[in-house]
Amino acid sequence: NAGVTQTPKFRILKIGQSMTLQCTQDMNHNYMYWYRQDPGMGLKLIYYSVGAGITDKGEVPNGYNVSRSTTEDFPLRLELAAPSQTSVYFCASRRGTGRNQAQHFGDGTRLSIL
Amino acid sequence: AQSVAQPEDQVNVAEGNPLTVKCTYSVSGNPYLFWYVQYPNRGLQFLLKYITGDNLVKGSYGFEAEFNKSQTSFHLKKPSALVSDSALYFCAVSPYGNNRLAFGKGNQVVVIP
Repeated sequence: NAGVTQTPKFRILKIGQSMTLQCTQDMNHNYMYWYRQDPGMGLKLIYYSVGAGITDKGEVPNGYNVSRSTTEDFPLRLELAAPSQTSVYFCASRRGTGRNQAQHFGDGTRLSIL
Repeated sequence: AQSVAQPEDQVNVAEGNPLTVKCTYSVSGNPYLFWYVQYPNRGLQFLLKYITGDNLVKGSYGFEAEFNKSQTSFHLKKPSALVSDSALYFCAVSPYGNNRLAFGKGNQVVVIP
C-alpha cells in the first residue's frame, strides 16, 4: 500500500501566486487532515474532513481552501501566496470513530514563498 | 480546548542509557494520548497510543509510555537508547470521541554514540 501520498515534495512560489497541494490516500479512510509544521511550533491543523463532501476549519484556516469530492483525495489550495505561508505541509488520514484513531501521515510538501 | 506541553527542546542521552521524553496535557474529559516520531524529511510515524486500560502502554521499536491521570502526564520511555532513535518526537492529545488532535511542539532527541 502506498498509504498517504503528497505531491509535490518541494515548491517555490512567488508572492501572490496560487497553487494546489495534492493529497491522496488508498486506505479508504474517512477522516483526512491538513497540517502545517513550522520550526519549534509543532503541527497546526489547517482543515479537516470527516468524509466526502464534508470539510471544516482547524486552528489556522486563513489563506487556505479545501475540497473533498472523493474519499481518496483532499487537495489544499493557496489562492494568494504570502511569505507567512512558507512552511512544511502534511496531509494525514485515519479510519472513522472508534478506538483506532492513529493518523497516518504523508511525507510532506516543503513550500517556500518568495 | 485541549493542549500539550513538551517542556524540553532537546533531550541528549548516551547510547545504551534510558531515554525519557516528557509530556503533560490538558483536556476536558477522558483523553486519547499518542506519541509520534519524525525522521528528517519524513512525515510523522505512529509509535503508541493510550485509549483506556493499563497505564503502561507498549509500542513500536521498544518504546513505552506511562499514563498518569493525577499528574496529567504521558511520558515516553525506552530502557536502552540507540543512535537510530535520534529524531523528533511529538506528543498529541484528543478528547474522547473528538476528531482532532492537538500536538506538542516536539522534542529533538539526540542519542550520542
